[in-house]
Amino acid sequence: SQTIHQWPATLVQPVGSPLSLECTVEGTSNPNLYWYRQAAGRGLQLLFYSVGIGQISSEVPQNLSASRPQDRQFILSSKKLLLSDSGFYLCAWSVDGAAKAFFGQGTRLTVV
Amino acid sequence: GENVEQHPSTLSVQEGDSAVIKCTYSDSASNYFPWYKQELGKGPQLIIDIRSNVGEKKDQRIAVTLNKTAKHFSLHITETQPEDSAVYFCAAWDGTSYGKLTFGQGTILTVHP
Repeated sequence: SQTIHQWPATLVQPVGSPLSLECTVEGTSNPNLYWYRQAAGRGLQLLFYSVGIGQISSEVPQNLSASRPQDRQFILSSKKLLLSDSGFYLCAWSVDGAAKAFFGQGTRLTVV
Repeated sequence: GENVEQHPSTLSVQEGDSAVIKCTYSDSASNYFPWYKQELGKGPQLIIDIRSNVGEKKDQRIAVTLNKTAKHFSLHITETQPEDSAVYFCAAWDGTSYGKLTFGQGTILTVHP
């Protein structure tokens, strides 16, 4: 069966520090991968999606970037965090050509 | 692009009552509509979904209905239990963009014992 792993679960980082969040999927090949941000426990905003290795599409302009170095690995990064980057970050995957998406357990990021 | 509106934003019911959450969408090309349940501090979990070629789908105490003409769909939970308390999200997919979903703003459901 397919599983998705996302870490760390919580993270407190100072303003101006770098960020790296990692997501991996097991049990499937060539998944579509997504990064969402959720503010205040409501409303999922799509940040990035990827349909293959090295292929990244950005949905909103921001201080973050994403990379997909391997088929089932998706990384969310920032060179310098802002206070406004605080939030709950969720990774998700779906099978190519279908919209049924499955989410990881999320990372709570607090920028101080 | 697609726009999904979800109502109500909060819903409080007594245990055993039914709960209904409604969503409307704007893009008539949308053809897949999932519902997610999110418990505090966790990722959303897919609980039921429906495709545009059917009008209703049931799974035990949960059902989803779809009215393509009116462009709205609803989640129905019967015989609610305290463990149904969570945030529920609807979403819509237009089938054109690699599985990108547009989400509603969520409904906080509280079931009182």
